[in-house]
Amino acid sequence: DVKVTQSSRYLVKRTGEKVFLECVQDMDHENMFWYRQDPGLGLRLIYFSYDVKMKEKGDIPEGYSVSREKKERFSLILESASTNQTSMYLCASSIRADLILSYEQYFGPGTRLTVT
Amino acid sequence: GQQLNQSPQSMFIQEGEDVSMNCTSSSIFNTWLWYKQDPGEGPVLLIALYKAGELTSNGRLTAQFGITRKDSFLNISASIPSDVGIYFCAGLQIGSQGNLIFGKGTKLSVKP
Repeated sequence: DVKVTQSSRYLVKRTGEKVFLECVQDMDHENMFWYRQDPGLGLRLIYFSYDVKMKEKGDIPEGYSVSREKKERFSLILESASTNQTSMYLCASSIRADLILSYEQYFGPGTRLTVT
Repeated sequence: GQQLNQSPQSMFIQEGEDVSMNCTSSSIFNTWLWYKQDPGEGPVLLIALYKAGELTSNGRLTAQFGITRKDSFLNISASIPSDVGIYFCAGLQIGSQGNLIFGKGTKLSVKP
């Protein structure tokens, strides 16, 4: 079974703090993604990565950065947390689409971040 | 950009009833996926569809890839209380290496 784990299920941080959210997958997937989920807005893509040290902006990258130093690990960084970044953060991974006809993304359990 | 319209937004049904939900788009998609999200958890993949007209089942769940490639349907037969959750459709963004576009979800409530 594909396993995607996220470092914390719940996190409470103060405004202005630097926040690190870690995601690890154990299926040797090339692609990794970070989303945030808010009521009424669905899943919105923040950043994604198709390979180690590679990153691409998604739909809402402002206020975030990412790091992918190893294939299995994709980190989301909030440089200076703000209250409007309170949300559910979801990490996902998938195999590279040109290797096999499969675009299935597998999600971690999510991190519910509250910024006060 | 490409967008998915998912309906209904929410459903309240009695245990044992059948459920139907759908996603539509003005653009063509080559892949449709259906996910379920339990409260406080990440989405879990239910069904993946790769060919227009394809009909695929997973237990009591059946999903179809519309012939026009602009829509997809998910049916749940004989609903049970554990079917409660949010169901998302997702389509593969054309030209991407794996980016999905998600519908906003259908929240299903089942009364025992």
